[in-house]
Amino acid sequence: QKEVEQNSGPLSVPEGAIASLNCTYSDRGSQSFFWYRQYSGKSPELIMFIYSNGDKEDGRFTAQLNKASQYVSLLIRDSQPSDSATYLCAVRGLSKSTFGDGTTLTVKP
Amino acid sequence: DVKVTQSSRYLVKRTGEKVFLECVQDMDHENMFWYRQDPGLGLRLIYFSYDVKMKEKGDIPEGYSVSREKKERFSLILESASTNQTSMYLCASSKTGQERDSNQPQHFGDGTRLSIL
Repeated sequence: QKEVEQNSGPLSVPEGAIASLNCTYSDRGSQSFFWYRQYSGKSPELIMFIYSNGDKEDGRFTAQLNKASQYVSLLIRDSQPSDSATYLCAVRGLSKSTFGDGTTLTVKP
Repeated sequence: DVKVTQSSRYLVKRTGEKVFLECVQDMDHENMFWYRQDPGLGLRLIYFSYDVKMKEKGDIPEGYSVSREKKERFSLILESASTNQTSMYLCASSKTGQERDSNQPQHFGDGTRLSIL
């Protein structure tokens, strides 16, 4: 079992819809959780981080964390074609981060 | 803004060569990381460093070494390049916060696409 697993893609949603990206992790001692966006041919860039149970909202993005279920998700509301990218979930323990393989999202106009 | 600069965007080397990949950050970050990214395998940690002259192995250190002589610079060394080291290499840095920078995100360079022939 991988330490960090993301829902297999690719994921395709119409413009204006809600895109839901999911991530589960195996290390119960994990402390912080990050979502990165990576456009094709580019390096990852941070979208959000969360470390407390519950929801954290930033504009059209909402991160949700449930430590008991070892689950973190990213919701993108009013999806835009510019949101089309690969989204990486990263989980930080005491010493380092582990990344998921990523979910590729396509938003169709 | 944090700037992480990798010395080359594209690099072509031959099997058996010693290859150096350089990374410099300008935000006085304590932590630096080297990853490789391959299709279907995601982002995998090779080595990381929490301080000058300090290094720790990541998940796939075999065939690599690193050097951190100055805080701003973290070098990845392929001792004897092999074709299976053809990949995209990403350097990242982060600041140390409480609890070993648990809440500090990583900032990535643009990557070096390395081809070993």
